[in-house]
Amino acid sequence: DGGITQSPKYLFRKEGQNVTLSCEQNLNHDAMYWYRQDPGQGLRLIYYSQIVNDFQKGDIAEGYSVSREKKESFPLTVTSAQKNPTAFYLCASRETGTRTDTQYFGPGTRLTVL
Amino acid sequence: QKEVEQNSGPLSVPEGAIASLNCTYSDRVSQSFFWYRQYSGKSPELIMSIYSNGDKEDGRFTAQLNKASQYVSLLIRDSQPSDSATYLCAVSPTDSSYKLIFGSGTRLLVRP
Repeated sequence: DGGITQSPKYLFRKEGQNVTLSCEQNLNHDAMYWYRQDPGQGLRLIYYSQIVNDFQKGDIAEGYSVSREKKESFPLTVTSAQKNPTAFYLCASRETGTRTDTQYFGPGTRLTVL
Repeated sequence: QKEVEQNSGPLSVPEGAIASLNCTYSDRVSQSFFWYRQYSGKSPELIMSIYSNGDKEDGRFTAQLNKASQYVSLLIRDSQPSDSATYLCAVSPTDSSYKLIFGSGTRLLVRP
């Protein structure tokens, strides 16, 4: 099956800990994105990557880090510098080639700080 | 700051009625527009994309785009209780990043 997978589905973090959220896709998409969603709000862009070994900060990158060593994988690390990390984290990938900028989402990871 | 605005709702309609969801955006040169449906606790799923002024129909869904007035709407005909969800409007700026800017969503309730 083609798609985007995220793990874990639920994640609990203690204050001061770094945690890493996994995002994998087998759609052969070049571009990948990380968003954060807080209750009752839309999605806000954390980081994005348009090609392997390259990524850019989004609107709320402080306290987060990413890597893009493989086309299929775009992990997000929530560091202890992120003061309010409790949120729903969504990974997306985008079709490339012909004129299309449609993004497709993984199932999400719900992070809670204890 | 580029913005996308939606009424948070809830918009309540009876089963079988037409639900009309609206979205306005501030970046006049935006070119690509999307509607996503998000069930509670789930990730967004794409409903429609629209790029040109006018209407685009897909089954019970119709997206309408008016670039001069900077709004995009989604009509859902013959609304079903299963349509009850939050509908997110997203706009893509014209730079090469293909980032999406999301509205906060409109919650739709379809009453049986």
